[in-house]
Amino acid sequence: GIQVEQSPPDLILQEGANSTLRCNFSDSVNNLQWFHQNPWGQLINLFYIPSGTKQNGRLSATTVATERYSLLYISSSQTTDSGVYFCAVERGSGTYKYIFGTGTRLKVLA
Amino acid sequence: NAGVMQNPRHLVRRRGQEARLRCSPMKGHSHVYWYRQLPEEGLKFMVYLQKENIIDESGMPKERFSAEFPKEGPSILRIQQVVRGDSAAYFCASSPPRVPELAGGPETQYFGPGTRLLVL
Repeated sequence: GIQVEQSPPDLILQEGANSTLRCNFSDSVNNLQWFHQNPWGQLINLFYIPSGTKQNGRLSATTVATERYSLLYISSSQTTDSGVYFCAVERGSGTYKYIFGTGTRLKVLA
Repeated sequence: NAGVMQNPRHLVRRRGQEARLRCSPMKGHSHVYWYRQLPEEGLKFMVYLQKENIIDESGMPKERFSAEFPKEGPSILRIQQVVRGDSAAYFCASSPPRVPELAGGPETQYFGPGTRLLVL
């Protein structure tokens, strides 16, 4: 089956720093989403981005489907950005199930 | 405009008991997905349901686990004779009906807050 790998696995930042999180996938995908799981365990949709670039405030994401990777950019990080960031992909072809990556655990220090 | 609702948020069971987890999808959504998250891991797909139909249960353990999405009411994930290894967070997601001409096309899944199951 498709493999989804995220890097780095862990990241510690000082408040105000920028960061780039990466998601590699081993086969072509129909859909891709980025999620933030906050320290209380809640999953928050960040981006639905099967291809192209999107921006939402301090966050932006780019997916290059032909090269099988997606990037999530966090600028001017805040302590509330702490948590685990997951990318999830869907193969399409009627399967509709998301395959989640291993996650990047981010801690932003004040 | 309520999001995906799950209850209970926390559930404690003793080994051998039954656990019943409920998921109410977003209004207008007819597709429900269940995922399980073990501690320190990502989410793993379990089952995909539409109203009164199981579409894909390839991620469900063969024994003790079952899921339904009746015509009326929430989707239910049932775990019989729970064991300690069932302790996990169980997330439900929903998505709207897929447009036929876009079959196989993009669709966003919206996740509920999860049910944390602890088996003693």
